[in-house]
This record gives sequence, C-alpha cells and structure tokens, in this order.
Amino acid sequence: NAGVMQNPRHLVRRRGQEARLRCSPMKGHSHVYWYRQLPEEGLKFMVYLQKENIIDESGMPKERFSAEFPKEGPSILRIQQVVRGDSAAYFCASSPESGLPQHFGDGTRLSIL
Amino acid sequence: KQEVTQIPAALSVPEGENLVLNCSFTDSAIYNLQWFRQDPGKGLTSLLLIQSSQREQTSGRLNASLDKSSGRSTLYIAASQPGDSATYLCAVRANNAGNMLTFGGGTRLMVKP
Repeated sequence: NAGVMQNPRHLVRRRGQEARLRCSPMKGHSHVYWYRQLPEEGLKFMVYLQKENIIDESGMPKERFSAEFPKEGPSILRIQQVVRGDSAAYFCASSPESGLPQHFGDGTRLSIL
Repeated sequence: KQEVTQIPAALSVPEGENLVLNCSFTDSAIYNLQWFRQDPGKGLTSLLLIQSSQREQTSGRLNASLDKSSGRSTLYIAASQPGDSATYLCAVRANNAGNMLTFGGGTRLMVKP
C-alpha cells in the first residue's frame, strides 16, 4: 500500500529553465495538495486540486506557476522560467475526501543554479 | 489571516527528559489541529490530530492538548529518546479555509544520548 509518491526527489535546473514536479497520490485518494517549504521557513500552502479541477489556488504565485491533476496520471506542478528564489522543497499531500487528514510525500528538493 | 507560531524554534535536551513544545494560532475558528514530525530530507509524518471539539489526544509517549479559546496547543513528549530528534510541525485547518493547512515554523528538537 504505497504512500504518496513524488518524483524526482531532487531536481536541479538553471535559471530560465522549466521544472516539472510529479505527485502520485495514495491509492483511492482523489484530493491533492501542494505545499512549498523555503529554506529555514515553514510549509506554505500553494494549491488544492481534485481530479481535473483546481479547487483553491490562493497560495500559488500569479506568474510562472501552474498545477494540474488530470483524469489519468499524476498531479504535476510546473514552474516556468525558474529563478533562484524558487529553490525550495515542494511537498505533495493527498486525502481520500475533503476534510480528512492529508498524507504527505517525501518532497522534491528543487535547486536553481 | 491565520498565523501559526511555534516556540521554541530549537530545543536541545538530554535523553530521558520530559518536554513540551508549544504552538499558538491567531484565529480560534479552527476545524482541527495536527502535529507532524519531519526528519531531515524527508516528508511529514502525522503524529496526532485533534478535532476542534476535543481537548487532547494521546499516542504512546506523545500527548497533544488543544485550548481553542486561547489559541494554543502543546505537544508533550515523555521520556525523550535520541530517536525523537526531528523537527516538529504544528498545522491548523481553519473552518473557512477549505482544506488548506497553515503551518508553524517548527521546533527543531535534538535529544542527546
């Protein structure tokens, strides 16, 4: 019974490139959440998705960031034209229904050169 | 806007001590409060979840209390062990915030043998 799977675990990009982070929720979970943890800071909510729908994106930067959770396949967090300030750990969590506890993946550590 | 604060930011204790980690939140209209453990380079492991109607939850050597009216929660760890060394995060889900969790900055705990 696999937990939340995130890949890659580590991602290095140069400024201006695109970063794609993937998250496969736990089996039976249709709700996905993305959080960002900047160095020496706590986790900050970014976006909440349910299959094929964005429910709450109030924590997403207005530019360069997008997220999707297609009917088939993992959820993708996409960052275009990355900058040094995007360096962080990005965590995905999932839950079977709204309101139930969220289960977290091990995160993707993004480093921008 | 909900804000969550954890004190102390870091704590170092000898093995065997009982200790208390503190979490405070500014908006008492919460749905639940959750304590997590984060090991270096890893994701979050849920330790205890307290619903807004509850006063405390216990799991083994861990006990978490919730005082909603004063906006406070404490995590009590009995007979601490070196294996307890990790960062402990407190997160609240507010009534009006959908499924979003708001995290504190964490307490980095070191238990010395």
